[in-house]
Amino acid sequence: GENVEQHPSTLSVQEGDSAVIKCTYSDSASNYFPWYKQELGKRPQLIIDIRSNVGEKKDQRIAVTLNKTAKHFSLHITETQPEDSAVYFCAAVGGFQKLVFGTGTRLLVSP
Amino acid sequence: EAGVAQSPRYKIIEKRQSVAFWCNPISGHATLYWYQQILGQGPKLLIQFQNNGVVDDSQLPKDRFSAERLKGVDSTLKIQPAKLEDSAVYLCASSLIAGDTEAFFGQGTRLTVV
Repeated sequence: GENVEQHPSTLSVQEGDSAVIKCTYSDSASNYFPWYKQELGKRPQLIIDIRSNVGEKKDQRIAVTLNKTAKHFSLHITETQPEDSAVYFCAAVGGFQKLVFGTGTRLLVSP
Repeated sequence: EAGVAQSPRYKIIEKRQSVAFWCNPISGHATLYWYQQILGQGPKLLIQFQNNGVVDDSQLPKDRFSAERLKGVDSTLKIQPAKLEDSAVYLCASSLIAGDTEAFFGQGTRLTVV
């Protein structure tokens, strides 16, 4: 079945810096890759997603890239702000349309 | 539109007791997921339904956990008997089309087993 690995587990940046979170997946048939943000005590919420027919997608300060050959995908946040502080999860949809999550990255943006 | 509803929000039980969680997905969403999220970890898929059929339950501890989705709408997740390691947040999510559209999460049920 699908296995998703995520790095780093924690990431500390200064306000205004960029943050990059990387994920790898195992199922070459995976075709949908969402990213979720989870604030403390709250539910995960989708922030951006990408499908396998696209290499890059951008939404304001957030971008996601996908390398299907290497089975890598990454989240890029530019001009980070303190309110970006949260746990970010990557996910992949593999066989039987299972939605499998990575282990999470705790992002801390210091003013 | 109304979101995914879950109840209860919190539950404290003693080990070996039983507990049930309820989820009402967004209207029209065919896919329903139950995840277990242990503190500091990512959501772990327990079971995924497509309408009222099970797509995957490979990580559901079937000796103690059971789930059903009657009539392809509401779902119930049960634990019997509970163990200390079952302490976690149980998240229900739903999506319109499995694996191709956003999964919306409920607020979750925080279970503490003492």
